[in-house]
Amino acid sequence: DAKTTQPPSMDCAEGRAANLPCNHSTISGNEYVYWYRQIHSQGPQYIIHGLKNNETNEMASLIITEDRKSSTLILPHATLRDTAVYYCIVRLYSGNTPLVFGKGTRLSVIA
Amino acid sequence: NAGVTQTPKFQVLKTGQSMTLQCAQDMNHEYMSWYRQDPGMGLRLIHYSVGAGITDQGEVPNGYNVSRSTTEDFPLRLLSAAPSQTSVYFCASRRTGDAEAFFGQGTRLTVV
Repeated sequence: DAKTTQPPSMDCAEGRAANLPCNHSTISGNEYVYWYRQIHSQGPQYIIHGLKNNETNEMASLIITEDRKSSTLILPHATLRDTAVYYCIVRLYSGNTPLVFGKGTRLSVIA
Repeated sequence: NAGVTQTPKFQVLKTGQSMTLQCAQDMNHEYMSWYRQDPGMGLRLIHYSVGAGITDQGEVPNGYNVSRSTTEDFPLRLLSAAPSQTSVYFCASRRTGDAEAFFGQGTRLTVV
């Protein structure tokens, strides 16, 4: 699986959009980008995934560049409850491929 | 649905003791996996299973055994606990072909 690079930490003001970047320059054509987050010491929570088109759900938006070498997770109106570690993961969309976590980005939402 | 249930939530072991961390899911998911998370680190994959009777090793399998006799259960066995195995252990499951994995709340293990 391709490796990802994320900044170790970011701050965001409450109510503002949080934009979390991820670089995955070695991504292959059939690998998807997944985002998970881990609030405090809880188990990770799935947020969103995509291949090459932008994706949006009730939690977030995922913007993938045209060359697919980087992506941005957008939390449109960050709240204090969005403070967490956010993991960007690249993997094949197949049943047998496990999720491999890096160190992620620690997002702190500030009142 | 209870989702993914891990027991116990906390455990203290002495070096050399053995124990089994339990993981059960009630979503009929084929795929299950175990991770460990050390302080300030991301999750590292220990073992995973793509279905009953099938298991495979992840990044850090040494010192751990698994088996998958049923779809619902995926226990993780520590054969002879070492202080280096002090960590938080997470179990996860998902349906094959689905993007979303569901994680348990973790087992906090301390080996003294």
